Amino acid sequence: KAGVTQTPRYLIKTRGQQVTLSCSPISGHRSVSWYQQTPGQGLQFLFEYFSETQRNKGNFPGRFSGRQFSNSRSEMNVSTLELGDSALYLCASSLDLSSEQYFGPGTRLTVT
Amino acid sequence: QQQVKQSPQSLIVQKGGIPIINCAYENTAFDYFPWYQQFPGKGPALLIAIRPDVSEKKEGRFTISFNKSAKQFSLHIMDSQPGDSATYFCAASDRESGGGADGLTFGKGTHLIIQP
Repeated sequence: KAGVTQTPRYLIKTRGQQVTLSCSPISGHRSVSWYQQTPGQGLQFLFEYFSETQRNKGNFPGRFSGRQFSNSRSEMNVSTLELGDSALYLCASSLDLSSEQYFGPGTRLTVT
Repeated sequence: QQQVKQSPQSLIVQKGGIPIINCAYENTAFDYFPWYQQFPGKGPALLIAIRPDVSEKKEGRFTISFNKSAKQFSLHIMDSQPGDSATYFCAASDRESGGGADGLTFGKGTHLIIQP
C-alpha cells in the first residue's frame, strides 16, 4: 500500500506571497493532520481533518488554513508568508480520529 | 508550555550498546504514547507505541517502559546498530491512538548517533 504523499517536496517563496501544499493520505485513511516542524519549536500541530471537516486546530494564526476533499486528500494554505513560516510541513494520515498517524515526507518551505 | 519533555537532546552510543531516551509529561489526560524515528530528509516514522494500561512493550529491538505514577516513559534500543542513527521523538495524545484534541504533542527530539 502506498504511503502518504506530499507535493511539492520543496518550495521557495517570497515574503507576502501565499502557498498551497497538498497531501494524499494512505488509501482508505479518512483523517489527515498537518504539523509544522522547525529546529526551534520542533513539531507543532496545525490542524486535523476528518470527513471534509476541520476537527481540531492548533495555536497558529488565521493565515494558516486548510481543507479536505471528498477523496480525503487535503490541502493547506498559508497566506501573507513571513520569514518565520520557513519550515518542514508534515502531513499525517490515519484511518480515523482514533488511529495511529503515519507521516508523509513533508514539504520543505523556504520563505525569503 | 512544553507538555512533553524529552532528554537527552543528543546521545552517542557504541554499536551494541543500549541507548535510553526519556520523556516526561504533565497532562494526565494523555492516554497514548508513540515514539517516532526520523531520518534526515524524511518524515517521522511510527516506531512503537504504548497505552497506560501496560508498563512495558517490546517490538523487535525497541522497548518502551512506562511509569504512570511518575508520568514518565522511555525508549530502549537493544543491540543498537549504526543504522539506528536518527532523531527520535516521543509524543503523547489524549484520544486513544489518535491525535487528540491538540494533535500529537511531541517532545523536542533526541539526536542519536551509534558509532561503529
